Amino acid sequence: SYELTQPPSVSVSPGQTTRITCSGDALPKKYAYWYQQKSGQAPVLVIYEDNKRPSGIPERFFGSRSGTMATLTVSGAQVEDEADYYCYSTDISGYHRVFGGGTKLTVL
Amino acid sequence: QVHLVESGGGLVKPGGSLRLSCAASGFTFSDYYMNWIRQAPGKGLEWISYITSSSNYAEYADSVRGRFTISRDNAKNSLYLEMNSLRAEDTAVYYCARESYFYDSSGNYYGWFDPWGQGTLVTVSS
Repeated sequence: SYELTQPPSVSVSPGQTTRITCSGDALPKKYAYWYQQKSGQAPVLVIYEDNKRPSGIPERFFGSRSGTMATLTVSGAQVEDEADYYCYSTDISGYHRVFGGGTKLTVL
Repeated sequence: QVHLVESGGGLVKPGGSLRLSCAASGFTFSDYYMNWIRQAPGKGLEWISYITSSSNYAEYADSVRGRFTISRDNAKNSLYLEMNSLRAEDTAVYYCARESYFYDSSGNYYGWFDPWGQGTLVTVSS
């Protein structure tokens, strides 16, 4: 079955920039999406179609995709950005939806 | 605004059954694919099923295929998940999510989950 691979954890100091990666064999042909999940809450979409921000998502969240890797960049991280982040995409057929394992972002 | 509310979770014994519901409002329900996604305690997100807008096709993750059945009633703006032969490893918060989408210039479909409901907890334990 298809897999998306993320690092388990990333840490950053407030105001600094951090990147969370997501790798998958189908990513050259499929868009990547990113979700933020804070403790005890439902996930929220922060990036769609590789690099688009939904209304209300701060400009410090930036998405990109190159080859088999998608990247979520948080520029000038804030304490409120501390959360779990999940990438999402589909396998090459488009029928199976897949999440990455999630990355815990610590801001300290 | 768009709103999704899950219900039907609870405690069930291994081998038992449960039916989850998701009530949708604030959008034309019949225009969208819908999904169920779950999250075991302390674990990541796991997509488990989707159904097309007209119910003509559904797909399942290997972990639930043959045990779970997704369905919808567009007249009632409702999504369902029938869960049978439940196992301890099915213990999770179950979310319903609308599949937002677009078609590119070649007619390829692209979908993603937005928004999500608040989730309902299913506990499988004796």
